[in-house]
Amino acid sequence: GESVGLHLPTLSVQEGDNSIINCAYSNSASDYFIWYKQESGKGPQFIIDIRSNMDKRQGQRVTVLLNKTVKHLSLQIAATQPGDSAVYFCADCTGGGNKLTFGTGTQLKVEL
Amino acid sequence: KAGVTQTPRYLIKTRGQQVTLSCSPISGHRSVSWYQQTPGQGLQFLFEYFSETQRNKGNFPGRFSGRQFSNSRSEMNVSTLELGDSALYLCASSLEPQGELGEQYFGPGTRLTVT
Repeated sequence: GESVGLHLPTLSVQEGDNSIINCAYSNSASDYFIWYKQESGKGPQFIIDIRSNMDKRQGQRVTVLLNKTVKHLSLQIAATQPGDSAVYFCADCTGGGNKLTFGTGTQLKVEL
Repeated sequence: KAGVTQTPRYLIKTRGQQVTLSCSPISGHRSVSWYQQTPGQGLQFLFEYFSETQRNKGNFPGRFSGRQFSNSRSEMNVSTLELGDSALYLCASSLEPQGELGEQYFGPGTRLTVT
């Protein structure tokens, strides 16, 4: 039968503004979280990770916040640039190997 | 250092056929994972190999199988292809220093089309 594509939530931001992409996870036993960026025609690209014993981690222009109480993860991108346009996925991992469970993704569009 | 490489990049097969996809991890990485990406289901975990042993398996039928060689290269096989197997198949490798989970790096994927 016909497959229905996932309806990706879209976030549109102006160039130079900050972007916040949110993600909810369901497994309270997850102990490792990763954000990936995927551009059209490419594989996911690692952005930043965080372990469950932390609630914040910063990288270059990116910050990840983890709220284990409500099982919520967010990615903040400072001074968003056109090159940041892509689909962003959060993924979580439970101990015992590299089995990642991915979220549905958010399409980030940067407007000039 | 070269990234994760996958071959072939594109493949067209007919229903009922079988296919083998190949993945070469980043040098020194011992963990290789496979994922299926489709518009309908998103990114789904297939299986993971570590030191030639399957360490994790996702919820896919037995038609999907894989293996890892002593040089950490991995192959996945899909037998009796169905139309719904059309997808982007992604391979990821991880160094896993000191046994800790770490960054997984993805290859560009193999685009499989089943007709």
